[in-house]
Amino acid sequence: QVQLVESGGGLVKPGGSLRLSCAASVFTFSDYYMSWIRQAPGKGLEWISYISSSSSHTNYADSVKGRVTISRDNAKNSLYLQMNSLRAEDTAVYYCARVREDGYNLIHAFDIWGQGTMVIVSS
Amino acid sequence: DIQMTQSPSTLSASVGDRVIITCRASQSISNWLAWYQQKPGKAPKLLIYKTSSLESGVPSRFSGSGSGTEFTLTISSLQPDDFATYYCQQYNSYLYTFGQGTKLEIK
Repeated sequence: QVQLVESGGGLVKPGGSLRLSCAASVFTFSDYYMSWIRQAPGKGLEWISYISSSSSHTNYADSVKGRVTISRDNAKNSLYLQMNSLRAEDTAVYYCARVREDGYNLIHAFDIWGQGTMVIVSS
Repeated sequence: DIQMTQSPSTLSASVGDRVIITCRASQSISNWLAWYQQKPGKAPKLLIYKTSSLESGVPSRFSGSGSGTEFTLTISSLQPDDFATYYCQQYNSYLYTFGQGTKLEIK
């Protein structure tokens, strides 16, 4: 079945860096826009970044702009999130998610989600 | 940036009830409005996209409507499996925003 599996989370000190990965399977990864969305403990969902299918276009939420970089490797069916200068407020479960399409049209909703990977920023 | 405000934040209801959750945008948005259901410890699940389109496999008791700045998710007859947290999400100008969530509790 269509699946996304995140990895790379863990405990990191403030100011540190972490690289998250998301492995896709059972769909043509290179056809889809992808996003990262996070959820702080006990809080709501926060979109943080997306990347186009060919990597030609990316965008970021203001809360992470300049500190995170989204990338992908279509040959490896993988999505990445490089996070630098981490802060306590970055503590969250990080989900990768697929942007829904209808034929060749983006539908701007997230139809497939991974199980999430936890990032804890603490000294 | 566009802010999304859901109401109520918490809703107590009984099996069989009809419930409506509202999502208001800080400015008029297109029809790129989606709704998700999330259960504790699980990833969100897409229910409705493009304001009123039902995602495949989602029961027909879920429906969405709205335009401009006000959108609603309606559950026509609550089932035990529906008690969860619901989020709206909009897309505009290369940015996505979620509402703060509505927790649907058993009365």
